[in-house]
Amino acid sequence: DGGITQSPKYLFRKEGQNVTLSCEQNLNHDAMYWYRQDPGQGLRLIYYSQIVNDFQKGDIAEGYSVSREKKESFPLTVTSAQKNPTAFYLCASSMWGGARSGEQYFGPGTRLTVT
Amino acid sequence: AQSVTQPDIHITVSEGASLELRCNYSYGATPYLFWYVQSPGQGLQLLLKYFSGDTLVQGIKGFEAEFKRSQSSFNLRKPSVHWSDAAEYFCAVGQAPGVVTGRRALTFGSGTRLQVQP
Repeated sequence: DGGITQSPKYLFRKEGQNVTLSCEQNLNHDAMYWYRQDPGQGLRLIYYSQIVNDFQKGDIAEGYSVSREKKESFPLTVTSAQKNPTAFYLCASSMWGGARSGEQYFGPGTRLTVT
Repeated sequence: AQSVTQPDIHITVSEGASLELRCNYSYGATPYLFWYVQSPGQGLQLLLKYFSGDTLVQGIKGFEAEFKRSQSSFNLRKPSVHWSDAAEYFCAVGQAPGVVTGRRALTFGSGTRLQVQP
């Protein structure tokens, strides 16, 4: 079955440590996205990538980094510079052009807790 | 700048009752509108979408939404709610399909949490 996988589902880290969240898709989608979700705030865009080896900052990119070395993969690193990293992180993907572009499909999410 | 407002943070309905969740958007071009549903601790599932054509669109799980350009609204409805519909619902707006320039990411509202009473 085609879909998006995120691992791990729960992640715990000590303050000051970098941590990388995995996102893989087998939908053959061009574009991938990372969102952060906090209670009562909806989803906020961290980074997105429309093609391999290219990515753009979203609304809250500070303290995060990404890479896009393969079409299927878009890992997110939460660095020690992110002041409030505890949140639920969602990865999504979509076509970039064509009639169904913009229609995003989401992974199950990773809940990161930093203490 | 684009934005989405969901004025109701929390709604409680009785099982079998009708439901309407409100969504208002602000967008500088023709909007591409979505409703997603999220169960606790899960990702988002697409319920329905609208870009053009009939302004009443049908989605999965018996949901429908009506686009009203004059009111900048895209409200979600269901005639009879089931206990399994309890979840959080998000409205989102984005670029028209087929556009390949600019920011393609969706802008989401803050969500409406639906509670269903037996």
